[in-house]
Amino acid sequence: EPEVTQTPSHQVTQMGQEVILRCVPISNHLYFYWYRQILGQKVEFLVSFYNNEISEKSEIFDDQFSVERPDGSNFTLKIRSTKLEDSAMYFCASSSPGLLNNEQFFGPGTRLTVL
Amino acid sequence: RKEVEQDPGPFNVPEGATVAFNCTYSNSASQSFFWYRQDCRKEPKLLMSVYSSGNEDGRFTAQLNRASQYISLLIRDSKLSDSATYLCVVAGDSSYKLIFGSGTRLLVRP
Repeated sequence: EPEVTQTPSHQVTQMGQEVILRCVPISNHLYFYWYRQILGQKVEFLVSFYNNEISEKSEIFDDQFSVERPDGSNFTLKIRSTKLEDSAMYFCASSSPGLLNNEQFFGPGTRLTVL
Repeated sequence: RKEVEQDPGPFNVPEGATVAFNCTYSNSASQSFFWYRQDCRKEPKLLMSVYSSGNEDGRFTAQLNRASQYISLLIRDSKLSDSATYLCVVAGDSSYKLIFGSGTRLLVRP
């Protein structure tokens, strides 16, 4: 069964450093998303991406964040200058508008720890 | 009012029990509804979409009441492996972004 993959599974970084989180969505999906979940809190939407551009973003997704689809398979989230409060699980998801209800499937996540 | 509201639980039930979770959402224009399950420190996994007519998948039954903005999930014949957090999820009225509830924790004991 096709699945979303993410690397790395765990990233530790120093405050102020740049990090890039990588995702490989399900191959025939067209919509891509990033969500985050701070420990003990609910899952929060960050950004959606379609047709090589951002289709929607949340208030969390400020100028420190960017997304890119550098090739036909990868989808990345970059945080330019990490803050302590960026520590969270970051989940990538993908969906296909052809699917009933546009169901989104999530990757296993990257645990980001900012020291 | 929270966008998606759930009882956090935990619900502690014996194997074989029937358990029901409820959820309310605030945006009456919401179009799509889902139940996901999340195991500790893992990703949300889609359990089922929820349709207006109600739908069933094995031991799981989901119901949607648009008038009351209320979603439910019924689990019959609970298994130990059903222990998880159940997330009520709503998609926006004009977007695909998912809005998550905080989840209801279920513990199934032997």
